[in-house]
Amino acid sequence: DSGVTQTPKHLITATGQRVTLRCSPRSGDLSVYWYQQSLDQGLQFLIHYYNGEERAKGNILERFSAQQFPDLHSELNLSSLELGDSALYFCASRRQGSYGYTFGSGTRLTVV
Amino acid sequence: LAKTTQPISMDSYEGQEVNITCSHNNIATNDYITWYQQFPSQGPRFIIQGYKTKVTNEVASLFIPADRKSSTLSLPRVSLSDTAVYYCLVVNDYKLSFGAGTTVTVRA
Repeated sequence: DSGVTQTPKHLITATGQRVTLRCSPRSGDLSVYWYQQSLDQGLQFLIHYYNGEERAKGNILERFSAQQFPDLHSELNLSSLELGDSALYFCASRRQGSYGYTFGSGTRLTVV
Repeated sequence: LAKTTQPISMDSYEGQEVNITCSHNNIATNDYITWYQQFPSQGPRFIIQGYKTKVTNEVASLFIPADRKSSTLSLPRVSLSDTAVYYCLVVNDYKLSFGAGTTVTVRA
């Protein structure tokens, strides 16, 4: 157990639907990072939040959005889902002063 | 962020030392070098970080020359369970970008 909790572990949904992925960072970590990993794209950085504020954006589609709540958990919302959105979605957190990021076990999203 | 280049794959045998070199020619002054290990369908696991010279922990060593344009991850006496993808990342405070990684295959 890395200390970063992601739910659900698996999600199967239909095209056009909307889903929400949840991440709780390690206790004491203020940062949350979201990544998408598909077979042909590797690990793609999506977005970074620090203490509730968005700090950096990567290759995140407009159909995707995220937020970090006062209790520091984060949610990644994926809407108008397409087949190509099928992937593993990871979140990671980082302790201030360290460059070692801790990843959760991921959510496997399958769009059918 | 500095782009990183590392070999796509490496083969080794149990008990051998594996050295993976990563080049990062455009590394910035405030960037750190980190390495991660990833098994299929699992999140990447942090192995080691460094800024310059040599860093060693219970898992690996990281060698960084004075110009910091490359780094070498050294895995001593690998076992079958070390078969994984290894990523070299140059990071700063806000985001980290993964390259394609090096697939290390350890054979008996």
